Amino acid sequence: QVQLVQSGADVKKPGASVRVSCKASGYRFTGYYIHWVRQAPGQGFEWMGWINPNGGATNYAQKFRGRVNMATDTSINSVYLELTNLESDDTALYFCTRDTGSASGYDPWGQGTQVTVSA
Amino acid sequence: DIQMTQSPSSLSASLGDRVTITCRASQTISRYLNWYQQKPGKAPKLLIYVASTLQSGVPSRFSGSGSGTDFSLTISSLQPEDIATYYCQQSYNTLYTFGQGTKLEIK
Repeated sequence: QVQLVQSGADVKKPGASVRVSCKASGYRFTGYYIHWVRQAPGQGFEWMGWINPNGGATNYAQKFRGRVNMATDTSINSVYLELTNLESDDTALYFCTRDTGSASGYDPWGQGTQVTVSA
Repeated sequence: DIQMTQSPSSLSASLGDRVTITCRASQTISRYLNWYQQKPGKAPKLLIYVASTLQSGVPSRFSGSGSGTDFSLTISSLQPEDIATYYCQQSYNTLYTFGQGTKLEIK
């Protein structure tokens, strides 16, 4: 079945960087964009950006430009999110999700990766 | 950015009730509106896309309607497994913004 599996939880100090991985299976990896969305504790969703695994083009939300990087490794059907210069406000559950195309929503989602930023 | 506003923010209903959640966009988004269900500690699940198309495997008691700026999600007969938080999302432009969520509880 179509599935996205993310890396495990991570704890970082302020100013550090974090890298979250997302491995896809069950479909043609290069055929769909992957988006990253985060959810702070008790809050709604914040869109961070997308990457096209077919070629690596990216589009980042204005808020994160300069400290976010998304990359892909088609040899292992994986995408990566790197966020630098972490602050306590970056503590959140980070999700990767597949864009179904034609503006028809996200499906499926990864299980989420908890990133905690604490001194 | 397109702002999405859901109402109510929380809702208490009885099993078997008909439940409706609304979502309003700050500008017209045609029918590019999706609905998700999220249970505690879980990833969201796509329920409805392009305003009214039911995602495969989603029970038919869920339905969506609307266009332009005003949309709604309806559960025709509330079941225990429907207890969750529901989010709308616009996919009209590439900054896919979400509503703040509606938490559905049993009365």
